[in-house]
Amino acid sequence: DAGVIQSPRHEVTEMGQEVTLRCKPISGHNSLFWYRQTMMRGLELLIYFNNNVPIDDSGMPEDRFSAKMPNASFSTLKIQPSEPRDSAVYFCASSLVLMNTEAFFGQGTRLTVV
Amino acid sequence: KNEVEQSPQNLTAQEGEFITINCSYSVGISALHWLQQHPGGGIVSLFMLSSGKKKHGRLIATINIQEKHSSLHITASHPRDSAVYICAVLVGADGLTFGKGTHLIIQP
Repeated sequence: DAGVIQSPRHEVTEMGQEVTLRCKPISGHNSLFWYRQTMMRGLELLIYFNNNVPIDDSGMPEDRFSAKMPNASFSTLKIQPSEPRDSAVYFCASSLVLMNTEAFFGQGTRLTVV
Repeated sequence: KNEVEQSPQNLTAQEGEFITINCSYSVGISALHWLQQHPGGGIVSLFMLSSGKKKHGRLIATINIQEKHSSLHITASHPRDSAVYICAVLVGADGLTFGKGTHLIIQP
């Protein structure tokens, strides 16, 4: 398996624009997680899915953020409208069963909002 | 809310030294992860443990559930071990809560 695949690797956008980050988890993994990493706050959980169903989105900072998992092999994280404070590295991770098994991380998407 | 504290925040050592990174947390957990983040930014899972000790190559991770403490050890450290090491804990079935990380530099 190629591992967790995220796209794009880098995104630069203007404030107010819509941004969509994409993630393909490892085949067979039932759980998918979106994390955000900033210098100030470190790594934070945004939302996670189990069997394509959102379980906990309490980490999503605002209504501007939304995430979907339409099927077991694809998830998106959308920010609309984007703001400069959304600039961060966004990681997607997947695991067999929530986080009670080893987690596999994607390479991350570095988002810069100018 | 679970607080995860790592120490030291920064560590510089000479090649060959034995390295210990510590992680303490405030509430009971179901699992603890040690992650490694390279300068390029990618994150790799090193260990997931809920009790006892695990070993992989030169890396050893231990956890003491009663004391709410875990350690990551690196034996015979090498410059390629230079990275940020992150401790993360799982409470129940929630997602992970992360420590701030330990920046490790191994000098040749």
